[in-house]
Amino acid sequence: DAGVIQSPRHEVTEMGQEVTLRCKPISGHDYLFWYRQTMMRGLELLIYFNNNVPIDDSGMPEDRFSAKMPNASFSTLKIQPSEPRDSAVYFCASSFSPEGRQFFGPGTRLTVL
Amino acid sequence: QQQVKQSPQSLIVQKGGIPIINCAYENTAFDYFPWYQQFPGKGPALLIAIRPDVSEKKEGRFTISFNKSAKQFSLHIMDSQPGDSATYFCAASTPSGNTPLVFGKGTRLSVIA
Repeated sequence: DAGVIQSPRHEVTEMGQEVTLRCKPISGHDYLFWYRQTMMRGLELLIYFNNNVPIDDSGMPEDRFSAKMPNASFSTLKIQPSEPRDSAVYFCASSFSPEGRQFFGPGTRLTVL
Repeated sequence: QQQVKQSPQSLIVQKGGIPIINCAYENTAFDYFPWYQQFPGKGPALLIAIRPDVSEKKEGRFTISFNKSAKQFSLHIMDSQPGDSATYFCAASTPSGNTPLVFGKGTRLSVIA
């Protein structure tokens, strides 16, 4: 298996633009997680899905952030409009269970100018 | 109740030294305590994990020590090498299957030759 795949690996955009991050989880994993990593806050869980259904989005910072999982092999995290404080590394992870081992993707480094 | 507090934030040791990273928790329902290792530009990956029925677990040069009464667990790296330089995250979860892993804020370890 190729592991968790994320794209793009790097994204540079200007404030106010829409940003879409993409994730393909490991086949067979029922759970998908979106995290944001910054020096100040560490690794923050934004939202997670079970069988394509959002279970907990309490970590989503504000309405500018939205996530979807239209099928078992694809998820998106969208920021609209983007702001400089959204600059961070965004990780997608997948697992068989929410409490067990998570497999992380390589991350998307987002820079909002 | 869901927090895992990790210290120190950063750590510098000389090659061959034994860095120790500590984590503390409050939720007595936690029963799975993994450590994740993250190299620059990569996503975190599971390094080693322990359950509370044992007080210590070793895998190669990495050891988890677990103190259930104190609600603390720590990671020790024996004979540390420059290749161990990475960010380390502790985490914890409950067996309920309803809540995901809770991560500490991470410790940036630098092993200098």
